[in-house]
Amino acid sequence: GNSVTQMEGPVTLSEEAFLTINCTYTATGYPSLFWYVQYPGEGLQLLLKATKADDKGSNKGFEATYRKETTSFHLEKGSVQVSDSAVYFCALRGGTGGYNKLIFGAGTRLAVHP
Amino acid sequence: GAGVSQSPSNKVTEKGKDVELRCDPISGHTALYWYRQSLGQGLEFLIYFQGNSAPDKSGLPSDRFSAERTGGSVSTLTIQRTQQEDSAVYLCASSRTGGETQYFGPGTRLLVL
Repeated sequence: GNSVTQMEGPVTLSEEAFLTINCTYTATGYPSLFWYVQYPGEGLQLLLKATKADDKGSNKGFEATYRKETTSFHLEKGSVQVSDSAVYFCALRGGTGGYNKLIFGAGTRLAVHP
Repeated sequence: GAGVSQSPSNKVTEKGKDVELRCDPISGHTALYWYRQSLGQGLEFLIYFQGNSAPDKSGLPSDRFSAERTGGSVSTLTIQRTQQEDSAVYLCASSRTGGETQYFGPGTRLLVL
């Protein structure tokens, strides 16, 4: 069945460092891909999404490109801030796993210190 | 309008008791989803509603779990005879239609003693 694999955390960075959180997926068909973020004490929020191959999703300085050839959707940010400290979840929807439900990776905790 | 709301925000119960968790979706959203977030299992899909019907219940872990939705709005997730392994954060999400971007509520943290 469909699945999502994320790099294990925690990821600890200094402010203004470059961030990459790896995400790969297994799916048949053409799923949509998402990054959700969970800030401390808050609910899940959609960060960005891409619905077809080679699409780039972007928001708040974060970017991710849907790479079908490598089945990846890595999250990047050029310069992280302390306020980016959160748990990041990669997810997919669609393909043969069902059009409606989201399938999530395990989450990657990011800690940014001054 | 307002976002997805859930109640209670926290629930502590004794093993064997029944619990009801409530979700109030964004107004006008016809699709509603329940997920569970636990330490051991991560974020798992439980059930999807389109209107008042549930075309996908594939994630409900046992027959102790059930959910209903009335009036195409509020949904209730019921867990009967709770077990300690049911302890988790239960998340509700809604979207305008199935397949659209899902917006999540703050969750209900359930602790079964």
